[in-house]
Formats: sequence, structure tokens, C-alpha cells
Amino acid sequence: DTAVSQTPKYLVTQMGNDKSIKCEQNLGHDTMYWYKQDSKKFLKIMFSYNNKELIINETVPNRFSPKSPDKAHLNLHINSLELGDSAVYFCASSQDTTGELFFGEGSRLTVL
Amino acid sequence: GNSVTQMEGPVTLSEEAFLTINCTYTATGYPSLFWYVQYPGEGLQLLLKATKADDKGSNKGFEATYRKETTSFHLEKGSVQVSDSAVYFCALSDQGSARQLTFGSGTQLTVLP
Repeated sequence: DTAVSQTPKYLVTQMGNDKSIKCEQNLGHDTMYWYKQDSKKFLKIMFSYNNKELIINETVPNRFSPKSPDKAHLNLHINSLELGDSAVYFCASSQDTTGELFFGEGSRLTVL
Repeated sequence: GNSVTQMEGPVTLSEEAFLTINCTYTATGYPSLFWYVQYPGEGLQLLLKATKADDKGSNKGFEATYRKETTSFHLEKGSVQVSDSAVYFCALSDQGSARQLTFGSGTQLTVLP
């Protein structure tokens, strides 16, 4: 069983469209995250939820909206996609005390 | 604020060569330090960690020692394999918590047969 799974793995879309990426973890962790990785492999945290409550909200355009229906799921919705949104988006989870993040395989978003 | 500086890549080595990837940090207090590895097409995974000064983390033949006096956590391996080709990220956390992780920029390692 995959511990942190995200779908879709690949997403190609036109500028201006709206898209969502879903994430689920079966590790029983309390905290989930979204990270963005650019083409140079630089990793930036976007959001973090703890037990469905938003705890980290970095400087990210309002077009990005996370939703956590329960502590095992954290989805990312992006409105009005722009070229600069092209990246790999990683979902991750943690049981907070250890510093260990468990990452999904990533969702590669390409905006044309 | 906290920051992590890694040596710039890419790094290319022959199989069985010795590897060092430098990492230095700036932090208030006494952070925990981590190395994460990202294999091609995958997410990051924890490679090793150290939670206090002079601790040595080790895993899969990789080692790193927490040096408070030089604020460093350099990653080393005595003999690399082709399968070690990946991107390596140094990271720190103020309270050992994954919520406060600060990542370095990553170092791409390619090992040639």
C-alpha cells in the first residue's frame, strides 16, 4: 500500500484553466503539507494542515486553495493557471515530533 | 531566520569514489539536522538525521556528523554506487518538528559506472 498517494501524476493544461490535485495518506499522521518544486529542484513549502486546520500558509497567490476534508486527505485547487505554475507539486505528511516527512511521488503540472 | 546552504551541483563521480556534499546552516537555538534524498521520479525520503551536537547520523553507508562549532552537517560516503545517483537535500528544524523544516537547495549527484 502506498503511504502517501497523490493524483494525478501528470497534468497538462492550458493557461486560465482550473485544476485540482488530490492527496491521501494512510499513515495515520496528523499533519499534511503541500510543497512546490521548481525546475532547479528548489523545494518550497506552500501549506500545512494539522487535523484539518490550516497551520502554515506561506506567501502563495490566492489562486491556490488547499482543502482538507479529513486528516487523511489534503487537496490542492488552483484557479486561473499561469505559466509560472508549472512545477512538480508534492504532498507530504508527518507525525509531528520526529522531523520526518513522508512524501508522495509528486504531480507534474505543465501549463501551456 | 533559519537557512541552509549546500554545495552547488551537479556532482559527478565514478563508482567507488568518495563522496562529500557540504552543508552549513544558520539557526537560532539548537536545531535538528537532516539529509533527505530524492531518487529520479520519486518524492523525497529521509536518509539520516542528528538531533544534537556531535551526533552522527548514518544509513545505507552514508554518514553526517552534527558540528556545532562549524555549523555544518556534511554528508559523506566512502564508496558510491550508480544507485546513489539522486538529489540530496540538507535540512534543519528548530524544534525537531517536520513543520519547521528548512531545506537547502539540493545537490544533484550522478555516479557513473
